[in-house]
Amino acid sequence: DIQMTQFPSSLSASAGDRVTITCRASQSINRYLNWYQQKPGKAPKLLIYGASTLQTGVPSRFSGSGSGTDFTLTISSLQPEDSATYFCQQTYGTPRVTFGGGTEVEIK
Amino acid sequence: QLQLQESGPGLVKPSETLSLTCTVSGGSIDSTRYYWGWIRQPPGKGLEWIGSIYYSGSTYYKSSLESRVTISADTSENQFSLRLSAVTAADTAVYYCVRGHDFGDYLTDFWGQGSLVTVSS
Repeated sequence: DIQMTQFPSSLSASAGDRVTITCRASQSINRYLNWYQQKPGKAPKLLIYGASTLQTGVPSRFSGSGSGTDFTLTISSLQPEDSATYFCQQTYGTPRVTFGGGTEVEIK
Repeated sequence: QLQLQESGPGLVKPSETLSLTCTVSGGSIDSTRYYWGWIRQPPGKGLEWIGSIYYSGSTYYKSSLESRVTISADTSENQFSLRLSAVTAADTAVYYCVRGHDFGDYLTDFWGQGSLVTVSS
């Protein structure tokens, strides 16, 4: 299975800060990389697919980049409602998809 | 709008079989464009793909669970189901049913709300 390593595992930042989360694949996954946001007690919500395409309705302060093995999710100006855990997911190995371990984002 | 809803017992005894059903509304599971799957999340931990079923009836399972997992579909009821046998405390998790794309970026776009299953005597 393709392993996904995500870091940091947690971060604390102030509203308005630029935040970057990194995801690394154990092998090249082209651009088959998605990002999800999960709030406590809720199902994950798709933010970005294909490494950089914003899902409909997702604020433009979210962006994704990368290809091959290294990917990033950036929040350009952190908002209080962005407090959540973020997961990356590779779908190159579909149906055997795998997820990163998650990054918990806290607003100071 | 597509909706997925998990249902099933919230408490299962060790060594018994966990059974969950996902009812899909607002769309048909009888489509060549999508697959239907199960993902679980132990309390406070990350997401783990369990398995998926395709229009053709083909099923795929996580290798470490393959000996205990069965996913099936009932197109007449627009439902698909998960059975996990010989459960232990390690199988305690929130179980999500999901829809995945069998084309393009193969993204997982719709999730159920999740069903907490606790394995305990």
